[in-house]
Amino acid sequence: KNEVEQSPQNLTAQEGEFITINCSYSVGISALHWLQQHPGGGIVSLFMLSSGKKKHGRLIATINIQEKHSSLHITASHPRDSAVYICAVADIYGGSQGNLIFGKGTKLSVKP
Amino acid sequence: SQTIHQWPATLVQPVGSPLSLECTVEGTSNPNLYWYRQAAGRGLQLLFYSVGIGQISSEVPQNLSASRPQDRQFILSSKKLLLSDSGFYLCAWSFNTEAFFGQGTRLTVV
Repeated sequence: KNEVEQSPQNLTAQEGEFITINCSYSVGISALHWLQQHPGGGIVSLFMLSSGKKKHGRLIATINIQEKHSSLHITASHPRDSAVYICAVADIYGGSQGNLIFGKGTKLSVKP
Repeated sequence: SQTIHQWPATLVQPVGSPLSLECTVEGTSNPNLYWYRQAAGRGLQLLFYSVGIGQISSEVPQNLSASRPQDRQFILSSKKLLLSDSGFYLCAWSFNTEAFFGQGTRLTVV
């Protein structure tokens, strides 16, 4: 079964700082997702990656398939970026027909 | 375009009361549908998945059940809620490598 580890668990940054959140997984995947969960609980899908790099606004996501590692970067962080960021992988060996395995999340707080 | 609706967003229910959370999808047919739960301090864990009408698989034993009465409808239920059922519940569907998520339901059992 795939294990998904995120680091750090908690992260506090000052507004404007460059932020990196890491995700590692243990076995092969078909895709990796980065999600954002706001304090109210709603989930927003940020990226779906199967290789390389994607950019959307101030967010950049990269994945290294060989190293089984992905990073989410936030440039020029802002207090509104405060949320829990969750990594989830679509496990190619998963018996549950495309089930996602989720990391525990990284709680980001950006101070003004 | 594909969308997924999940409601309610928040729910406070007394112990022993029933539960029904509904999830519906649009813009697709015969999706794989999933219910996940996030307990305090833990990651989202798969509760149930369904590959078609009436087909439900359970990943973990629990006080909950799921049903899929229509192709694009997935329901999570309980006859009698326990305190330990409190948490964040998320509905999702997948297509190839893509996944779409509901907004989630924050359930507090009191």
